Amino acid sequence: QQQVKQSPQSLIVQKGGISIINCAYENTAFDYFPWYQQFPGKGPALLIAIRPDVSEKKEGRFTISFNKSAKQFSLHIMDSQPGDSATYFCAASIGAGAGSYQLTFGKGTKLSVIP
Amino acid sequence: DAGVTQSPTHLIKTRGQQVTLRCSPKSGHDTVSWYQQALGQGPQFIFQYYEEEERQRGNFPDRFSGHQFPNYSSELNVNALLLGDSALYLCASSSTLDTQYFGPGTRLTVL
Repeated sequence: QQQVKQSPQSLIVQKGGISIINCAYENTAFDYFPWYQQFPGKGPALLIAIRPDVSEKKEGRFTISFNKSAKQFSLHIMDSQPGDSATYFCAASIGAGAGSYQLTFGKGTKLSVIP
Repeated sequence: DAGVTQSPTHLIKTRGQQVTLRCSPKSGHDTVSWYQQALGQGPQFIFQYYEEEERQRGNFPDRFSGHQFPNYSSELNVNALLLGDSALYLCASSSTLDTQYFGPGTRLTVL
């Protein structure tokens, strides 16, 4: 049973456009929702994270939108650049971001930003 | 400040062999988690070590075992390797006040 479902599997966006990746979760005990960026041959790097007490968090060109009632959250990348081309993973865990609990990952979205 | 480090970078083994992977956590972190990432998939949780004890375990067989040392570094051991064990093995370190940060991973190929 997949607890975090991520879509789309792949995404092609024009330079300067908006990239949107969506995730849905099932376990209502989850209270920490990070997004990771992974380049080929590298480990995942924490990009931005949100807790369910806020509906939106913005850091530079990256924004997380969170809908607790729908059990959905999404990543928006504004002004997408070719350097943003990578695989993005949503994840969820319990414990409000403290590292004591396992992360449950989505299957990933491969983003390609074309010039 | 060095982040999470892992060794070796790449490893090739044959079926039935045993392998040991190593991880050094980020400074200030006392918890180490291990994940398996198959090609084209998201990381899957194997287990977590804290105070030299296995604290949580994912859905992986007993062939997967680990250890944490007093300096918080950790090892992942896999016995009786199968072709399906070929993957990127990721170590993440954390603390009770800080989230998980990943190392670069060890690419294991089983032939």
